Amino acid sequence: NAGVMQNPRHLVRRRGQEARLRCSPMKGHSHVYWYRQLPEEGLKFMVYLQKENIIDESGMPKERFSAEFPKEGPSILRIQQVVRGDSAAYFCASSPGTGRREKLFFGSGTQLSVL
Amino acid sequence: ILNVEQSPQSLHVQEGDSTNFTCSFPSSNFYALHWYRWETAKSPEALFVMTLNGDEKKKGRISATLNTKEGYSYLYIKGSQPEDSATYLCAFRGNTPLVFGKGTRLSVIA
Repeated sequence: NAGVMQNPRHLVRRRGQEARLRCSPMKGHSHVYWYRQLPEEGLKFMVYLQKENIIDESGMPKERFSAEFPKEGPSILRIQQVVRGDSAAYFCASSPGTGRREKLFFGSGTQLSVL
Repeated sequence: ILNVEQSPQSLHVQEGDSTNFTCSFPSSNFYALHWYRWETAKSPEALFVMTLNGDEKKKGRISATLNTKEGYSYLYIKGSQPEDSATYLCAFRGNTPLVFGKGTRLSVIA
């Protein structure tokens, strides 16, 4: 059973370009979470999605960032017009449900570098 | 703003030493407390999920306790080994998705 798959592992973009980060949850998992880790910081929650729905985007910057989790295919985190401050590691996690004892399964992350 | 604090930030111990670290979290709206182990170049992996005040969990040489009334959890490692070297994250779940602490970075010296 493959784990949570994220790609690419490393992404380099110039200022003003778009970044697309992909996450395929574990088989059977319909809940996806995106976290961002800035240098010397912990994992910061960005957005929580179920298939075709955004459940909680309270951690998402209001501009330039968007996320989707379509009926078919991976979840996508999209950053438009990237700036240097967007450089960070972006982690995706999935879970089969939201029960009290559910744990998260993490991908290996995408390291975004903005030049 | 919901705060999850972990201490110490980093820790160096000798092989064979026992050690423990602390996670403090809000004592209101408690739903669950998670511990994750994060090795360098890998992804975080769940160690424990605790939901009840007084919960104690054990996995090999690693154990954890939970006090929801005062808002803290301890993680203990007995007889540390070099392979225990990792960052240990705790995460609080209230009425929001998991909020993570910054972690305790453990280095076990052979």
